[in-house]
Amino acid sequence: QSVLTQPPSVSAAPGQKVTISCSGSSSNIGNNYVSWYQQLPGTAPKLLIYDNNKRPSGIPDRFSGSKSGTSATLGITGLQTGDEADYYCGTWDSSLSVLFGGGTQLTVL
Amino acid sequence: QVQLQESGPGLVKPSETLSLTCTVSGGSVSSGSYYWSWIRQPPGKGLEWIGYIYYSGSTNYNPSLKSRVTISVDTSKNQFSLKLSSVTAADTAVYYCARFGIAVAGYDYWGQGTLVTVSS
Repeated sequence: QSVLTQPPSVSAAPGQKVTISCSGSSSNIGNNYVSWYQQLPGTAPKLLIYDNNKRPSGIPDRFSGSKSGTSATLGITGLQTGDEADYYCGTWDSSLSVLFGGGTQLTVL
Repeated sequence: QVQLQESGPGLVKPSETLSLTCTVSGGSVSSGSYYWSWIRQPPGKGLEWIGYIYYSGSTNYNPSLKSRVTISVDTSKNQFSLKLSSVTAADTAVYYCARFGIAVAGYDYWGQGTLVTVSS
């Protein structure tokens, strides 16, 4: 059971928008940056968002991140079939141990 | 371009020690800007952080694995390694090495992953 809680799955139609939540506590998300990762089938995870809302070079602005209190949200607009993947949030706790959410499977209908 | 590559046995017997090495190219494990990590993913499940090492040799491990894990770094070979002792079938997973960038507070580079199966 992950300390960071994500919905197991979300779905939306191509072109639509979807959000994925990540809920934690004051000892993790509440006091640290959140990152988001995309894992396409059969591949290693890829950094999508860091420092709550920043995108690495090469990540399209269809992907966005936000944080409020002890929760964070990943937003994806203009959904494409190529966005079908598992998405994970990440942060760390007061002992500097890294934490990952349980992952959310995105289906583009 | 930074690349990380895991290597090691794909099959380990129960009660033995799992040993993996990550070779880094295009970057240096001696840089003070990164933590070098191991992360695993059991088949069909989510990511589990195992631990990380800093170039100085300081480490931090997942409390649930701490008694069985050792991560070390070899700056002369630009590699870092994982040892997990007393393995069971529950340790069967894809093992990833990854670089945690302090400036981005996230894992910006990952290896392709290697499947390690624990079975007699």
